[in-house]
Amino acid sequence: AQSVTQPDIHITVSEGASLELRCNYSYGATPYLFWYVQSPGQGLQLLLKYFSGDTLVQGIKGFEAEFKRSQSSFNLRKPSVHWSDAAEYFCAVGATSGTYKYIFGTGTRLKVLA
Amino acid sequence: EAGVAQSPRYKIIEKRQSVAFWCNPISGHATLYWYQQILGQGPKLLIQFQNNGVVDDSQLPKDRFSAERLKGVDSTLKIQPAKLEDSAVYLCASSRGLATYNEQFFGPGTRLTVL
Repeated sequence: AQSVTQPDIHITVSEGASLELRCNYSYGATPYLFWYVQSPGQGLQLLLKYFSGDTLVQGIKGFEAEFKRSQSSFNLRKPSVHWSDAAEYFCAVGATSGTYKYIFGTGTRLKVLA
Repeated sequence: EAGVAQSPRYKIIEKRQSVAFWCNPISGHATLYWYQQILGQGPKLLIQFQNNGVVDDSQLPKDRFSAERLKGVDSTLKIQPAKLEDSAVYLCASSRGLATYNEQFFGPGTRLTVL
């Protein structure tokens, strides 16, 4: 069974600073990997996803993520954070065979200082 | 295209009462999910439908929760009787198909408070 860990519950950055949110997964093979964002009072919106191929994937709103097989990680990055990026971010792992299991991490809440 | 619709957006009930949530997925999406999101946690899958059949309900507390998707389109999730620990946001999502590479599209959720 797969699992996903987001080690940082809260992160605070200044507007314009760079951002990296961590995600580690456990799975017997390379899973499908996703990052979602949830603004207050809203549902989740997909930022980006990784299935195979190039390990650096680009998403919406200027976000990117890098898949590192050796570290079982899929960290989310943004070079320059905007105040509107304040939200909760969830990493998710989807099984690639055997089941349709899709597991979300516990989330990282991002606060942006003006 | 229209997104996933959910109603109501907010609901406050007393413990032991019953409550029902409604979800209308994106048109043409065969797979529908109900998640429970407790404050400070990630979404937890309660039940997954493919058309009108249940694919996974392993984490649904079946003594009090029920869900249906009778015509393979919209869906209802019911809690009867509610407990204090059921206070959470209930999210509905839909996708084109079962495979996990399909993007899930989420509704705005229903925030349930059980007093």
